[in-house]
Amino acid sequence: EDQVTQSPEALRLQEGESSSLNCSYTVSGLRGLFWYRQDPGKGPEFLFTLYSAGEEKEKERLKATLTKKESFLHITAPKPEDSATYLCAVQASPSGTYKYIFGTGTRLKVLA
Amino acid sequence: ETGVTQTPRHLVMGMTNKKSLKCEQHLGHNAMYWYKQSAKKPLELMFVYNFKEQTENNSVPSRFSPECPNSSHLFLHLHTLQPEDSALYLCASRPVRGTDLTNYGYTFGSGTRLTVV
Repeated sequence: EDQVTQSPEALRLQEGESSSLNCSYTVSGLRGLFWYRQDPGKGPEFLFTLYSAGEEKEKERLKATLTKKESFLHITAPKPEDSATYLCAVQASPSGTYKYIFGTGTRLKVLA
Repeated sequence: ETGVTQTPRHLVMGMTNKKSLKCEQHLGHNAMYWYKQSAKKPLELMFVYNFKEQTENNSVPSRFSPECPNSSHLFLHLHTLQPEDSALYLCASRPVRGTDLTNYGYTFGSGTRLTVV
């Protein structure tokens, strides 16, 4: 069964304390892995798309990487404004159809 | 603002009411989506419209009825809902070229927080 699992469920960091969020997936025909940020009371905001193993993308303090089984979102020297829920999603294409599967997210809290 | 506008932001309705959620985008996107977001659950895809045509109904109960009059507007009509339908309803859009779902991320609206009493 196609599945996307994010860990940890919640994470508390001190300002400046770097860490990584994990998104592991089991899907057929991966067509892309997506990271989103969601602030309370808002819809998810698109961050990155990764297409193939070994690919990396960066945006400010965030860096996303992809392997054949998982993706990591590295947060370097986080600030309180990085506090949000980070969602991972995969787009898969089994048998010619398209599926878009979200994980349940990691709630990140960065303390000043 | 993301470019996808949803109204209302909050809605409280009784189980016998009829209401509609509205979504509007002027990003030139041709695909529009309704998602349901409940606490501690992954986003659940409800409906997909490509070029105004419904291409996916993800086994959604008939008390939810979508409408897409043009590629910029999407509605979700609600009637005789249940308390378990209380959730954040998100509209999203993204560009689509032909039948190939190019790998652009979704642009989401801020959602409608629905409470069924």
